[in-house]
Amino acid sequence: EAQVTQNPRYLITVTGKKLTVTCSQNMNHEYMSWYRQDPGLGLRQIYYSMNVEVTDKGDVPEGYKVSRKEKRNFPLILESPSPNQTSLYFCASGGGPRGLSEAFFGQGTRLTVV
Amino acid sequence: TQLLEQSPQFLSIQEGENLTVYCNSSSVFSSLQWYRQEPGEGPVLLVTVVTGGEVKKLKRLTFQFGDARKDSSLHITAAQPGDTGLYLCAGGVIRMRFGAGTRLTVKP
Repeated sequence: EAQVTQNPRYLITVTGKKLTVTCSQNMNHEYMSWYRQDPGLGLRQIYYSMNVEVTDKGDVPEGYKVSRKEKRNFPLILESPSPNQTSLYFCASGGGPRGLSEAFFGQGTRLTVV
Repeated sequence: TQLLEQSPQFLSIQEGENLTVYCNSSSVFSSLQWYRQEPGEGPVLLVTVVTGGEVKKLKRLTFQFGDARKDSSLHITAAQPGDTGLYLCAGGVIRMRFGAGTRLTVKP
């Protein structure tokens, strides 16, 4: 089954404690992206990657890092989380037969930073 | 300020009614996508519109892309409770931008 898998689904952490949210896709997509979703603001793009070792900033990259060492994986790293990073995070991949605009999303990671 | 403005923000209707939600922008997009998101899940792509003036139908859902490729609409005919969810429009391909969404509730 074609899917994007994120882990963990829920995470509560304390300010300043480094964390990683993993994302893996099994569709051999070249394009992967991270978004955060906040009430009234919709989804905002954090980082995206066009291929292995190729990453770039989205609209809200501050406080986040990413890496793309393998095509299937695109982890999101918060080196020093702060309460304003409390949000619902989604990973997406694209680049199938219908092109990059057909994005597949993971089920989300709800992060709370206290 | 949202790059893509969706209206209405909330919509609650009875089963069987028709409805239209709108997605507007001052920017031209090469393509616009519509997604539906249910609680606890990620958005699921419904349709992509590419050509100005394009109309696409997906069962009871009709999607239209404006002639100038700045706006789009989603019309649902005879809404059903299963249509309940958050409808999101998104523009662009690599640097994808989303509207804040229309939260639709269809009551039996």
